[in-house]
Amino acid sequence: SQKIEQNSEALNIQEGKTATLTCNYTNYSPAYLQWYRQDPGRGPVFLLLIRENEKEKRKERLKVTFDTTLKQSLFHITASQPADSATYLCALDMSNSGYALNFGKGTSLLVTP
Amino acid sequence: DAGITQSPRHKVTETGTPVTLRCHQTENHRYMYWYRQDPGHGLRLIHYSYGVKDTDKGEVSDGYSVSRSKTEDFLLTLESATSSQTSVYFCAISDLPGGDASTDTQYFGPGTRLTVL
Repeated sequence: SQKIEQNSEALNIQEGKTATLTCNYTNYSPAYLQWYRQDPGRGPVFLLLIRENEKEKRKERLKVTFDTTLKQSLFHITASQPADSATYLCALDMSNSGYALNFGKGTSLLVTP
Repeated sequence: DAGITQSPRHKVTETGTPVTLRCHQTENHRYMYWYRQDPGHGLRLIHYSYGVKDTDKGEVSDGYSVSRSKTEDFLLTLESATSSQTSVYFCAISDLPGGDASTDTQYFGPGTRLTVL
């Protein structure tokens, strides 16, 4: 069955450093991969989408890489800030479900001053 | 948030009672989804809709039904609520994929916290 794995341990980093989150998947050939941010008590918010033929995508301080051979995506936040503290979810398209997404369980990021 | 509202935002009910959650969108998006989110499981798809009166099951559909009589409204019904259905329920919408990130993403509502006693 399709499986998505994200670091289950919370990631604690110091302000100004680069945070790197990992998303690994098995039994998938996704057309694209997405990253979402979720704050406590709120719904996920879309951050970035990267397609299978793209290696890297950037948006301001965010960078996503996508290695379809390794079946892995890395999500980087450079010059991290305490406001970046949240849970980050990786998502892949779910086959045969109307473009629904299959989400990883998320990685909690805490950025301390 | 994109124009998505969910009601109620919080509900406490008793085992065996019927419950209906409503999702309303003002974006005129074709696809609508219901997910539940539980600790240790992440977001899981319950049902989805690909148009008015067109719905299908997701991975955790047992005990749930849905209806979509208008583009803007997607209802999730628990016919007879059980304690295992205590969860946070999120509605999401998306448009037809068009090769643009803005159309291939999903937009989520604020969620409904449901407690079944």
